[in-house]
Amino acid sequence: GESVGLHLPTLSVQEGDNSIINCAYSNSASDYFIWYKQESGKGPQFIIDIRSNMDKRQGQRVTVLLNKTVKHLSLQIAATQPGDSAVYFCAETANDYKLSFGAGTTVTVRA
Amino acid sequence: ETGVTQSPTHLIKTRGQQVTLRCSSQSGHNTVSWYQQALGQGPQFIFQYYREEENGRGNFPPRFSGLQFPNYSSELNVNALELDDSALYLCASSTTGATDTQYFGPGTRLTVL
Repeated sequence: GESVGLHLPTLSVQEGDNSIINCAYSNSASDYFIWYKQESGKGPQFIIDIRSNMDKRQGQRVTVLLNKTVKHLSLQIAATQPGDSAVYFCAETANDYKLSFGAGTTVTVRA
Repeated sequence: ETGVTQSPTHLIKTRGQQVTLRCSSQSGHNTVSWYQQALGQGPQFIFQYYREEENGRGNFPPRFSGLQFPNYSSELNVNALELDDSALYLCASSTTGATDTQYFGPGTRLTVL
């Protein structure tokens, strides 16, 4: 993944509001996408994934949307909480052995 | 927590030295991938090990090498350390398959002086 166009490196959101984090990916052959959350001093934590045969997938308070036409991925977090403050990365893979990560978006939740 | 463990947590070395980092995969996982994360950037793929064999490699020089053991734990070795090798080194484990979810450990913070 890489960060172009709609990607914002930082996002400040009021507690309780919904957050939307965007990611543009570069490889049209990518068929598996993952969102990770990384808190300071920790490794990336799996949030949600989606395969290329889907365009939407929901988890607990999170939704991932995939638009293959424009190679765009988004993560929506409902009712953002202080514990959601972290760096969020999108990652893609084209059915090979490696994940390619985007630049990351730092989310700060305001009380 | 993922069940992936890494040691040591932090490490300080000087330029030219060699370092070995260790990773224990999550129970049931037979694939380990290593990533380098420089400050403020996303992780960059170094290589992956599956059943004790290197299964793929990113754009890193040969002085980055690895091993996987029969219990699926893994080591990352870096020779002739350079200042730019200072980073967080992450390992991730997964089950067989290229598109199986990779679960990350907490990382080893390497500082090269």
